[in-house]
Amino acid sequence: EAGVAQSPRYKIIEKRQSVAFWCNPISGHATLYWYQQILGQGPKLLIQFQNNGVVDDSQLPKDRFSAERLKGVDSTLKIQPAKLEDSAVYLCASSPRGVRRYEQYFGPGTRLTVT
Amino acid sequence: AQSVAQPEDQVNVAEGNPLTVKCTYSVSGNPYLFWYVQYPNRGLQFLLKYITGDNLVKGSYGFEAEFNKSQTSFHLKKPSALVSDSALYFCAVRDLSNTGNQFYFGTGTSLTVIP
Repeated sequence: EAGVAQSPRYKIIEKRQSVAFWCNPISGHATLYWYQQILGQGPKLLIQFQNNGVVDDSQLPKDRFSAERLKGVDSTLKIQPAKLEDSAVYLCASSPRGVRRYEQYFGPGTRLTVT
Repeated sequence: AQSVAQPEDQVNVAEGNPLTVKCTYSVSGNPYLFWYVQYPNRGLQFLLKYITGDNLVKGSYGFEAEFNKSQTSFHLKKPSALVSDSALYFCAVRDLSNTGNQFYFGTGTSLTVIP
């Protein structure tokens, strides 16, 4: 099966600019996650969707970050305006239904550099 | 409060020797525990999980992990290390103690298997 797709792979922007990331999960996976991974740290969960509904967004900085999964398939994560501390790799993951529903399958990530 | 800790940033082991990568956790209720591996220039990959049942769980590539409730640990093990096991390993826990549904990742342990 095809893996989780993310684009772009790399993005360089200046602070106060806006940026959007796109994720297409594995076909049939109901749950989709967005993580932020700062260099030298583990991934930090920003938001989790179940189909097109938000399950958890407690660690999403809502003043500047937003995410949507309108049709319950692909998703976009937006940062507006970006700050220097947003420089990180943004990972998207998805999980299947059933007994494997807690296993997350990760995409390659988008490396964001804010200058 | 930190929910998962990996006390070693770096572990070195000789090829053919057993390896252990340590993980401790702190969550309310029953923990759901996971190990992921990140090979150079590749995305995070699921290795194994503990949800319930036997304390010793087996996963991909010959890895196993032992859940120890009294010590709140979930150490990753392999009887005989391969050079190809050299990678970054992350422990993760699913925490339902708050109103949300959070996954927490450790900071990662870099494993180097020496030929």
